Amino acid sequence: DAKTTQPNSMESNEEEPVHLPCNHSTISGTDYIHWYRQLPSQGPEYVIHGLTSNVNNRMASLAIAEDRKSSTLILHRATLRDAAVYYCILINGGATNKLIFGTGTLLAVQP
Amino acid sequence: NAGVTQTPKFRILKIGQSMTLQCTQDMNHNYMYWYRQDPGMGLKLIYYSVGAGITDKGEVPNGYNVSRSTTEDFPLRLELAAPSQTSVYFCASSYSDRVDGYTFGSGTRLTVV
Repeated sequence: DAKTTQPNSMESNEEEPVHLPCNHSTISGTDYIHWYRQLPSQGPEYVIHGLTSNVNNRMASLAIAEDRKSSTLILHRATLRDAAVYYCILINGGATNKLIFGTGTLLAVQP
Repeated sequence: NAGVTQTPKFRILKIGQSMTLQCTQDMNHNYMYWYRQDPGMGLKLIYYSVGAGITDKGEVPNGYNVSRSTTEDFPLRLELAAPSQTSVYFCASSYSDRVDGYTFGSGTRLTVV
C-alpha cells in the first residue's frame, strides 16, 4: 500500500479556514485518496475522497495536486467540534479494498 | 437505518476467557472490517471480508478469528484472551471498494485482566 505523510499536529482558530496537508509521492494511478477523522472517544468518520479532481461536500473540500503526489483537506470554517485526528489514506483500486490507517494529524481548534 | 451496530459496548474479560464481539450492518454492504485501537495509537486492521463466506487477514490477526455467514454479520472471536488484547475494537463496512466511504461502528472497549 502506498504511504502517506502528514504533520503530527496542527492548530487553528475557531471560524478560520484550516488546510490539512498530505503527501503521497508514491501514489499509483488507481489509488483513491480518502480522508477520515476521529473525534475523541468515537469511531472514525468518513470525510471525503477523490481520485484526480477536487471534490466538495458538506463537510469539507479536497484539493488534489495536478501530479497527485499531494492533497489538502480544507475545512472552510473550523469549529470546536472539528478538533480531531485527521487521517489521509490511499486505497489501491487494483487490490482488495483495505483502509490502512497511519498516525494522522491531530487538529486543535482554539476558541 | 441503524448503520453499523457493535455489541457489547464495554466488556471486562479474565485472562484465558473467550468472547465474541458482534457486528451487524443494515446497509447491504459487501465489505466488512475489524480494527483495534490501542490507547493513544492509530487503528490496526485485524480481519476483513469482501462478502459472505470470504474472509482474510489484516495487519494483526493473531489471537482472533472471524466468520461471515451472512452479508449483515461479521463477528470477531477471541479464543484465549490476553492482556495484550486490551483495546477498543471497531467494526466498519463499505458497499464496494475505493469509491465508497467506510461506515464505522461506535466501538467495543475491551479490558483483559
